[in-house]
Amino acid sequence: TQLLEQSPQFLSIQEGENLTVYCNSSSVFSSLQWYRQEPGEGPVLLVTVVTGGEVKKLKRLTFQFGDARKDSSLHITAAQTGDTGLYLCAGRNFNKFYFGSGTKLNVKP
Amino acid sequence: SAVISQKPSRDICQRGTSLTIQCQVDSQVTMMFWYRQQPGQSLTLIATANQGSEATYESGFVIDKFPISRPNLTFSTLTVSNMSPEDSSIYLCSVDGKAGGRNEQYFGPGTRLTVT
Repeated sequence: TQLLEQSPQFLSIQEGENLTVYCNSSSVFSSLQWYRQEPGEGPVLLVTVVTGGEVKKLKRLTFQFGDARKDSSLHITAAQTGDTGLYLCAGRNFNKFYFGSGTKLNVKP
Repeated sequence: SAVISQKPSRDICQRGTSLTIQCQVDSQVTMMFWYRQQPGQSLTLIATANQGSEATYESGFVIDKFPISRPNLTFSTLTVSNMSPEDSSIYLCSVDGKAGGRNEQYFGPGTRLTVT
């Protein structure tokens, strides 16, 4: 069983559309990270959120950490084909990271 | 951030053989992790490798099958022993590094293993 559940599992959208990916858990994490992974490569860290309610923006990407530090969301505005990839959230507890189930995003031109 | 390299990047192996994967980091780190990832799927932690002590294995993974070495603070190896087709996967090493005063996790490019 996954400690962190991501939804949706798959997402196929047209370029220019907006989307939100959710990462939910019943556990509290000291921090949460979002990664993007492209085929043949390792996950690349996008952002780390630490404080409950924290919102971080990275160009067209907006990340939010839930007030209770159990969930997070990733919102992409005006998606581009370069956003295509596998998005993973990972919650940290002590020295361990627990990975979400992953969201495979395909942005069509 | 840390720069991590892995060798080999990919390999095709016969069942019953063993493969050792190397992970090299460009800076000294306390903790290194080994993960397994089925293509397109999420990551499953195999073990945590600490320098100077035995690796800590997660449920479902044992030292006889996945022996790990951690001879110094910049290097680790993972061996996949007595391989079967079920071991076909991507194996990733990662490190716990500090950035902006916070601990963050960085990944190597992965080793794609196919067992025939």
